[in-house]
Amino acid sequence: QSALTQPASVSGSPGQSITISCTGTSSDVGSYNLVSWYQQHPGKAPKLMIYEGSKRPSGVSNRFSGSKSGNTASLTISGLQAEDEADYSCCSYAGSSTYVFGTGTKVTVL
Amino acid sequence: QVQLVQSGAEVKKPGSSVKVSCKASGGTISSYTISWVRQAPGQGLEWMGRIIPVFGTANYAQKFQGRVTITADESTSTAYMELSSLRSEDTAVYYCARLTGGFDYWGQGTLVTVSS
Repeated sequence: QSALTQPASVSGSPGQSITISCTGTSSDVGSYNLVSWYQQHPGKAPKLMIYEGSKRPSGVSNRFSGSKSGNTASLTISGLQAEDEADYSCCSYAGSSTYVFGTGTKVTVL
Repeated sequence: QVQLVQSGAEVKKPGSSVKVSCKASGGTISSYTISWVRQAPGQGLEWMGRIIPVFGTANYAQKFQGRVTITADESTSTAYMELSSLRSEDTAVYYCARLTGGFDYWGQGTLVTVSS
């Protein structure tokens, strides 16, 4: 099972919107609406931001949104803020009770 | 409030095994699905496997098949991950996480260093 493909880095200015892509295959992202997204600050455990493709856990800002088209899922951060600077990873169910993470994306707020 | 508390850092020799624990509080581990995820230095997250304690069944990523064993003790609300035949590439922070729709609660991470 290969890791899902994410861009290594994405940057934006405060207030702008950015989108992080997560490309898998028809065996994972394309087959299930079970993509989740995680934010991770240096030295910290990951934090769930989006689950089941587009759902936000309680307490997560509505500036974060998720979507999917075919084998590619996306995370959009609108109204970019300094505190959004972190690493972001996607994860998809891959069948047979297994999961696969993405390669990770570093978000920089300019 | 669910909390997952992991055991402390470990230093291991190549070829040996390590067993990391993950104790749940604020709920009963029997009703959880617990996954183990690792992160090598400067690298991304990597899913290793999961267990559903109430069923006692575990599933593993193909990469770790035969080398990892995930178990759970319902009486102590603790999950375990044992990785054998350690090599330098296994140096990483190992996390346990509860799986619902996504991985919603995470342990603090356990650093395992493999070095001769």
